[in-house]
Amino acid sequence: AQSVAQPEDQVNVAEGNPLTVKCTYSVSGNPYLFWYVQYPNRGLQFLLKYITGDNLVKGSYGFEAEFNKSQTSFHLKKPSALVSDSALYFCAPRDSSYKLIFGSGTRLLVRP
Amino acid sequence: DGGITQSPKYLFRKEGQNVTLSCEQNLNHDAMYWYRQDPGQGLRLIYYSQIVNDFQKGDIAEGYSVSREKKESFPLTVTSAQKNPTAFYLCASARTGSNTDTQYFGPGTRLTVL
Repeated sequence: AQSVAQPEDQVNVAEGNPLTVKCTYSVSGNPYLFWYVQYPNRGLQFLLKYITGDNLVKGSYGFEAEFNKSQTSFHLKKPSALVSDSALYFCAPRDSSYKLIFGSGTRLLVRP
Repeated sequence: DGGITQSPKYLFRKEGQNVTLSCEQNLNHDAMYWYRQDPGQGLRLIYYSQIVNDFQKGDIAEGYSVSREKKESFPLTVTSAQKNPTAFYLCASARTGSNTDTQYFGPGTRLTVL
């Protein structure tokens, strides 16, 4: 079965510190990988995606993600967290079909 | 959220009633999608459409219906057959149905059954 795992329900970091939100996946073929962020009672906002090429992908708001094929991981990172980064983050792989595969997400809490 | 509008933002329904959620996009996207989000869970796909006048069931289509008569519009009807419709509903669109195209989401409609 195709799946995505975000092993941490919540990640807590202090403002100014680096952050990592972990994602591992299990999909057939060569997956395409997406990260989205959701603020309370809002839709999802696209952050970045990996299709092919460089394993380090840069996205919106200073976020980046590193694709590791051997570990089937696509961790989201940011060098310096902001309080305004506090939100729910979703990693969503997409395989050779149409569907994005969502897990339950990781809540990021950045404390001042 | 820009370019995709969903209305209403909040919707209350009595048991046994059908309700229709609106989704409109001005991005000239071919593909449109409906997802359901329950508290503490990720998104689950209800229906999707890759072209006008065509749509396919997603993972949880039972109790829902859609139409795609215009490129910019993809309304979702929650019927009385849906046993637990209270949820947050999200519409998305993409330039095409290609696997590499990004899906962009609307602001969502929160449906509550009274």
